[in-house]
Amino acid sequence: DVKVTQSSRYLVKRTGEKVFLECVQDMDHENMFWYRQDPGLGLRLIYFSYDVKMKEKGDIPEGYSVSREKKERFSLILESASTNQTSMYLCASTSGLAGGREQYFGPGTRLTVT
Amino acid sequence: AQTVTQSQPEMSVQEAETVTLSCTYDTSESNYYLFWYKQPPSRQMILVIRQEAYKQQNATENRFSVNFQKAAKSFSLKISDSQLGDTAMYFCAFRDTGNQFYFGTGTSLTVIP
Repeated sequence: DVKVTQSSRYLVKRTGEKVFLECVQDMDHENMFWYRQDPGLGLRLIYFSYDVKMKEKGDIPEGYSVSREKKERFSLILESASTNQTSMYLCASTSGLAGGREQYFGPGTRLTVT
Repeated sequence: AQTVTQSQPEMSVQEAETVTLSCTYDTSESNYYLFWYKQPPSRQMILVIRQEAYKQQNATENRFSVNFQKAAKSFSLKISDSQLGDTAMYFCAFRDTGNQFYFGTGTSLTVIP
């Protein structure tokens, strides 16, 4: 059974803290993604990665950075957390092979910044 | 750029009835993939159904089927014999040839007993 895991389901941080969200997949997928999910806005892409050490900005990269040192792990970093980054964060992965494979999602991390 | 539009923020259906969720998209590509995902309350997002744009036949998965109208750029999801477990947020998604995914804003479906 394929699996994408995220380090925390719920996280509470203070304004200004550095926050790390970890995502691990066990499917040997090339592509990994970080989304932010807010009511009425759907899923917005923060960053994605096509390969180890490769990263591309998505639609809303400001205030975030990412790291992909190993194929199975993709980390999202909030350099200095702010209250407007309170949200649900979803990690996803998919195969880079042709065939239009779907994304597999992690359970999400609900982050609250106070 | 690709866009995906879901114009129904909320819908409800009686148990055992049929409901259709709408999705339209905009793209200049000819070969792409479309998906419907389901996100139950406080649970993980999972794939419901997938459609390949070059296939004219509409995809079906048990009680779930799609009406894919390529010329109209429409991709609706029909749920037959609705069950309480179908209560969820449903997202329409588009995958382009560059492995990028685009999501609609979602439709919250409630199945009423």
